[in-house]
Amino acid sequence: DAGVIQSPRHEVTEMGQEVTLRCKPISGHDYLFWYRQTMMRGLELLIYFNNNVPIDDSGMPEDRFSAKMPNASFSTLKIQPSEPRDSAVYFCASSTGEKEAFFGQGTRLTVV
Amino acid sequence: AQSVTQLDSHVSVSEGTPVLLRCNYSSSYSPSLFWYVQHPNKGLQLLLKYTSAATLVKGINGFEAEFKKSETSFHLTKPSAHMSDAAEYFCVVSDPGNFNKFYFGSGTKLNVKP
Repeated sequence: DAGVIQSPRHEVTEMGQEVTLRCKPISGHDYLFWYRQTMMRGLELLIYFNNNVPIDDSGMPEDRFSAKMPNASFSTLKIQPSEPRDSAVYFCASSTGEKEAFFGQGTRLTVV
Repeated sequence: AQSVTQLDSHVSVSEGTPVLLRCNYSSSYSPSLFWYVQHPNKGLQLLLKYTSAATLVKGINGFEAEFKKSETSFHLTKPSAHMSDAAEYFCVVSDPGNFNKFYFGSGTKLNVKP
């Protein structure tokens, strides 16, 4: 398996634009997580899904952020409208049962 | 609630000397504990995990960690540091009531001097 695949690896966008981050989890994993990493706040869990259903979105910072998982092999994290303070590295991870999470390479988002 | 405290934000060692990265956790139940490593501009890679089996856990690249319930600690050690060990290390605890919710420590940056 190729592991968790995220795209794009880097994204630079202007403030106010919509940004969509994509994630393909490891096949067979039924949990998917979105994390955000910044220097100030470290790693924060934004939301996670189980069997494509959002379970806990308490980490989503505000309504500008939304996440979907239309099927077991694909998830998106959308920011609309984006703001400079959203600049961070966004990680997607997947796991199965009571196992460790496997992380993607991350998407480095810069909002100017 | 679960939480993780990494006691040192930065650790610097010389190549060939031992590494000790400290982690204390707070959990009402027997937790699952993990150490992840993140090299610059890379994703997070699992080093090792503790899930209520042997208290001394061996991981990749010569790292190991010991679960000490009485001290609520899960310190990461390596007998001899290598230059390639320079990275950021995260201690992680999982929610016993919800094993798939992970709580990350703030990270420890390991610097290895030649």
